[in-house]
Amino acid sequence: EVQLVESGGGLVQPGGSLRLSCAASGFTFSSSWLAWVRQAPGKGLESVALMNQDGSAKYYVDSMKGRFTVSRDNAKNSAFLQMSSLRAEDTAVYYCARDRAWGAFDVWGQGTMVTVSS
Amino acid sequence: DIQMTQSPSSLSASVGDRVTITCRASQSISGYLNWFQQKPGRPPKLLIYATSSLESGVPSRFSGSGSGTEFTLTISSLQLEDLATYYCQQGYRAPRTFGQGTKLEIK
Repeated sequence: EVQLVESGGGLVQPGGSLRLSCAASGFTFSSSWLAWVRQAPGKGLESVALMNQDGSAKYYVDSMKGRFTVSRDNAKNSAFLQMSSLRAEDTAVYYCARDRAWGAFDVWGQGTMVTVSS
Repeated sequence: DIQMTQSPSSLSASVGDRVTITCRASQSISGYLNWFQQKPGRPPKLLIYATSSLESGVPSRFSGSGSGTEFTLTISSLQLEDLATYYCQQGYRAPRTFGQGTKLEIK
């Protein structure tokens, strides 16, 4: 079964850091672009970052540049989102998704909740 | 980043109605336009890619059209299970960006 599973979410204080993981199975992870998308409670979808197959190209939405870093370990079929200097407005469900041809996100994880609060 | 604008932001329609949602891009995206459906508590689901190609398993009542900067998603005959929020997304440039969503309610 083609699957993505996020982990690592939780409660963090403002200014803190958190590292999310995305574990892939059922497809050739090393051939796939990988995206991170977030959704604040009751709000719409917001792109966070996109990364190519070997991690040599990384793209971030302007509002998250400098605070968020994506990486991947193809040997472990895993991707990561390192978040720092977290703010209350970063509170959201964070999804990883496979970026297929035409930039279509065809496989999504179930998401992991990040809450930034004191 | 490319900005995507959807309209309307919410829509109420009856079962059997034809429903259309519009999406505009801030620059030409050459047909790299995808549509997603999201139901409460669930991750988004890809419905249509490359403007008009139906993802496998998606009912044929869903269709997409458009070019350049203007695109539409049409549901030909609304069903109860179509209650959801719909998002457009451009796949032309990285990072990919989404419209703000259209919440579809059933009358």
